[in-house]
Amino acid sequence: NAGVTQTPKFRVLKTGQSMTLLCAQDMNHEYMYWYRQDPGMGLRLIHYSVGEGTTAKGEVPDGYNVSRLKKQNFLLGLESAAPSQTSVYFCASSYSTGAERTDTQYFGPGTRLTVL
Amino acid sequence: AQKITQTQPGMFVQEKEAVTLDCTYDTSDQSYGLFWYKQPSSGEMIFLIYQGSYDEQNATEGRYSLNFQKARKSANLVISASQLGDSAMYFCAMREGLARGSTLGRLYFGRGTQLTVWP
Repeated sequence: NAGVTQTPKFRVLKTGQSMTLLCAQDMNHEYMYWYRQDPGMGLRLIHYSVGEGTTAKGEVPDGYNVSRLKKQNFLLGLESAAPSQTSVYFCASSYSTGAERTDTQYFGPGTRLTVL
Repeated sequence: AQKITQTQPGMFVQEKEAVTLDCTYDTSDQSYGLFWYKQPSSGEMIFLIYQGSYDEQNATEGRYSLNFQKARKSANLVISASQLGDSAMYFCAMREGLARGSTLGRLYFGRGTQLTVWP
């Protein structure tokens, strides 16, 4: 049981390049999230998904796209990377959003992305 | 307005002492959840403790307890008997709208408190 995994762990891009970050979870969670963490800012939600085939925008969605083709995977894409997207990216998943302990979000280890 | 406010950028505590990390929140929802996460220098986000808005008792998890004062909208984390391994960044987070079908389940995070435990 690996929990939430993210690939890659580190990446350096040049401005204008594209890339995809992969998040995988083996807990059969319905909900998955992408956050970015910047110094002094806490974590901010980029996009999220409430189930296979569905995605929605979060707080800071511009410049990113996502896809959830399989329940266990949630992909975050950068079509044309910009220096402002230099950040640490975290994926998280949760079982539901009911008023229960089961809706705790569990995080992956993070991906450190630098855009030059 | 910020949903979650952590007013202590840094805190210091001696080993074996207790420490309280402050968190206040802002919501008009009746149902919500409050979380604390720990982020060590290695970078991962580790879930520590959860408090539901309707929970009558303060949550506890081992050495962690959550001092929940609903009327004051505060959810302070108390770490008892601090250990050197507790040195980390601590984030308070809130989830609004717990009714099924409501938006998101997204977490609003505070900016964190850097805790340093010294021998």
